[in-house]
Amino acid sequence: DTEVTQTPKHLVMGMTNKKSLKCEQHMGHRAMYWYKQKAKKPPELMFVYSYEKLSINESVPSRFSPECPNSSLLNLHLHALQPEDSALYLCASSQVRLAGDNEQFFGPGTRLTVL
Amino acid sequence: LAKTTQPISMDSYEGQEVNITCSHNNIATNDYITWYQQFPSQGPRFIIQGYKTKVTNEVASLFIPADRKSSTLSLPRVSLSDTAVYYCLVENNKLIFGAGTRLAVHP
Repeated sequence: DTEVTQTPKHLVMGMTNKKSLKCEQHMGHRAMYWYKQKAKKPPELMFVYSYEKLSINESVPSRFSPECPNSSLLNLHLHALQPEDSALYLCASSQVRLAGDNEQFFGPGTRLTVL
Repeated sequence: LAKTTQPISMDSYEGQEVNITCSHNNIATNDYITWYQQFPSQGPRFIIQGYKTKVTNEVASLFIPADRKSSTLSLPRVSLSDTAVYYCLVENNKLIFGAGTRLAVHP
């Protein structure tokens, strides 16, 4: 199984809502990533988890809260988002953390709309 | 951090070879060069990775000169389904996507 799955595919939420994005992989990868991608822009790294521990936080606002309950699962908890947070949220995994010769496997993304 | 520069867009026709060059003047000794492909509303997909000289797989070739300050992704005989955005990345400790090259393949 070389697939990264993300749920939900689409999410619409109000600025006062709390929601969560879920990402799962069963490739035995020990590094997992969250990216944000705005329309016609490249993906921007948000968080990196290595062996279930947060190793990189790219100065992301606290309204985004990542969680890695186990080596296969990565969540992104959302609270009090702003309309400008609307984007495609991508999850990825790799065997180890951002090593030079490391291939990242990306999920299909969750399209988030904040009203 | 090594920054990458690619053409914003390219056009080609079915059956032609497409070469996309990426400039990365500040590449570090430990950096690898990786190319990803992305279709609209999908996650990027790994195409090829190399450190120096030439790498070839079933979908593409990657040419890296000795100074490693640039690299060229070569797609042989493109088809309409190769229309996508292609990202060149220089990877080591950070994964930063450049602006990417929008390739349009025409019939």
